[in-house]
Amino acid sequence: NAGVTQTPKFRILKIGQSMTLQCTQDMNHNYMYWYRQDPGMGLKLIYYSVGAGITDKGEVPNGYNVSRSTTEDFPLRLELAAPSQTSVYFCASSSGQGNTEAFFGQGTRLTVV
Amino acid sequence: SQKIEQNSEALNIQEGKTATLTCNYTNYSPAYLQWYRQDPGRGPVFLLLIRENEKEKRKERLKVTFDTTLKQSLFHITASQPADSATYLCALYNQGGKLIFGQGTELSVKP
Repeated sequence: NAGVTQTPKFRILKIGQSMTLQCTQDMNHNYMYWYRQDPGMGLKLIYYSVGAGITDKGEVPNGYNVSRSTTEDFPLRLELAAPSQTSVYFCASSSGQGNTEAFFGQGTRLTVV
Repeated sequence: SQKIEQNSEALNIQEGKTATLTCNYTNYSPAYLQWYRQDPGRGPVFLLLIRENEKEKRKERLKVTFDTTLKQSLFHITASQPADSATYLCALYNQGGKLIFGQGTELSVKP
């Protein structure tokens, strides 16, 4: 089983460039999440979705956008990359609230120079 | 504001001892609390879930307690092994489906 797949695994961006981090899950989960993790820190929620067509802001949404046109895909868009967005990004999915575990992708390590 | 706090200082223990990690939260009324393990360079992996009406949950060498009055969960690893060395994160589901994590506690088990 593939589970949650993120691409790319690594990326270097120049300041002001744009990119999309891809996230796909094959478990038919309704809930999907994007987190960033800075060195030595926990996970900060950027955006989340409770189903296709529904997205909402998390703790640190500024500088990012998302869309959820299908159940499987939840891409994260960086429009104008800034050095402060250098981080490791994780995508996760779960089948429901609270009483179900979240499954994580392997992460995307992004450096903005 | 809502907060989830874990001890940010690394926990160093000797092999065979019991490791105890703490998760405190404020301004939440979670129905569930979860614990995850994260190894360097990897995504978190689910370990245990406990419901608000459960005082304690066990899985092999792992034990989790949940005190909704104190707003605290304790995570215990008994008979710890060097392979248990990792960062452990607690997480709560917020209203509307948000899954919020604490900052994690790094555990190091020395042989």
